[in-house]
Amino acid sequence: EDKVVQSPLSLVVHEGDTVTLNCSYEVTNFRSLLWYKQEKKAPTFLFMLTSSGIEKKSGRLSSILDKKELFSILNITATQTGDSAVYLCAVEAFNKFYFGSGTKLNVKP
Amino acid sequence: DAGVIQSPRHEVTEMGQEVTLRCKPISGHDYLFWYRQTMMRGLELLIYFNNNVPIDDSGMPEDRFSAKMPNASFSTLKIQPSEPRDSAVYFCASSFQWSGNSPLHFGNGTRLTVT
Repeated sequence: EDKVVQSPLSLVVHEGDTVTLNCSYEVTNFRSLLWYKQEKKAPTFLFMLTSSGIEKKSGRLSSILDKKELFSILNITATQTGDSAVYLCAVEAFNKFYFGSGTKLNVKP
Repeated sequence: DAGVIQSPRHEVTEMGQEVTLRCKPISGHDYLFWYRQTMMRGLELLIYFNNNVPIDDSGMPEDRFSAKMPNASFSTLKIQPSEPRDSAVYFCASSFQWSGNSPLHFGNGTRLTVT
């Protein structure tokens, strides 16, 4: 059965901390892995990863994919209260996107 | 670009009533997806269309659920009759092409409450 597993389920940190969110997957016909940030409304796209070992970076966020070990991490450095959200990992396979249950991040002032 | 547009934003209805959710995908996107999100089950794919044709509806929970896409700019998800366990946020999403290079773009969702 295809699945995407995220950990931890929830995380509480203080502003300025660095966090690492994990996503492991077992999906047939893998094509890409995507990270989304969901605040109160729709998930918004962060990164799409298709190749192993190539880091994608956007400001304080970065992500990398390991296709051999079947996982990805999302790093957030110098966290801010605005980073508080649910972070979703999704794997695109042939004809479908499989979502993890998300990691709920709470950044306290 | 207006993004994916869903309506209504909130829907409260009584058990047994028919509910219709609406979606306008981003212009030029040829894939459209309907997802349901609950605390217990996360995001679940219900059905998706390619060029207005339903490709996979294996996620539709029961015959009470149906979806249509009469043209490239409009889709509906209908629940008839609705039940309290259908309460969830329903997201519509679209993407440009199935190439591994096109992320899903989500609408703001319809929060459905069935009492």
